[in-house]
Amino acid sequence: QQQVKQSPQSLIVQKGGISIINCAYENTAFDYFPWYQQFPGKGPALLIAIRPDVSEKKEGRFTISFNKSAKQFSLHIMDSQPGDSATYFCAASMGDFGNEKLTFGTGTRLTIIP
Amino acid sequence: GAGVSQTPSNKVTEKGKYVELRCDPISGHTALYWYRQSLGQGPEFLIYFQGTGAADDSGLPNDRFFAVRPEGSVSTLKIQRTERGDSAVYLCASSLSRTGPGSGELFFGEGSRLTVL
Repeated sequence: QQQVKQSPQSLIVQKGGISIINCAYENTAFDYFPWYQQFPGKGPALLIAIRPDVSEKKEGRFTISFNKSAKQFSLHIMDSQPGDSATYFCAASMGDFGNEKLTFGTGTRLTIIP
Repeated sequence: GAGVSQTPSNKVTEKGKYVELRCDPISGHTALYWYRQSLGQGPEFLIYFQGTGAADDSGLPNDRFFAVRPEGSVSTLKIQRTERGDSAVYLCASSLSRTGPGSGELFFGEGSRLTVL
């Protein structure tokens, strides 16, 4: 049973544009929602994360928007750059400080074109 | 090195053989995790250790898979009687602590790519 659904599967955005990736979850016990960035041949690296007590978190050009009632969250990349081209995974976990048992989405391959 | 180190980076084996994959976590990280990533998919949780003990092994697919962390640092993932469906990238991650503020970040290694012929 897939508990975190991610879309789109792939995304092409022009340099300077806004990249938006969406995720939806089913388990209302999830309370930690990170986004990981993965380059080819590398392991995933944490980009930004949010807990459900806030609706938005911003770090530089990266913003997570969180809608608890809809059980959805999204990643927005402002002023997208070619160096942002990578695969992005949303994830979710539960527990007081739960992070070990992350459930990942299927990933979005983002390509930023000049 | 400063990051999570995994060896081998690539392993090709024949169906039915035994395989060991090694993970050397970041120094001082007490929590260690194994994930499996199939082509085009997100990482899938296998097991995690807090110290020497396996705190949660519910993601191991069957009893052919086993992992140890005898001294609370290096961990080995062991796969017996490998099958073609075991082909994937096996990712190891570590974190500073399982609990407490700031424990949210997992640091992943580059993975061990296993191919079973």
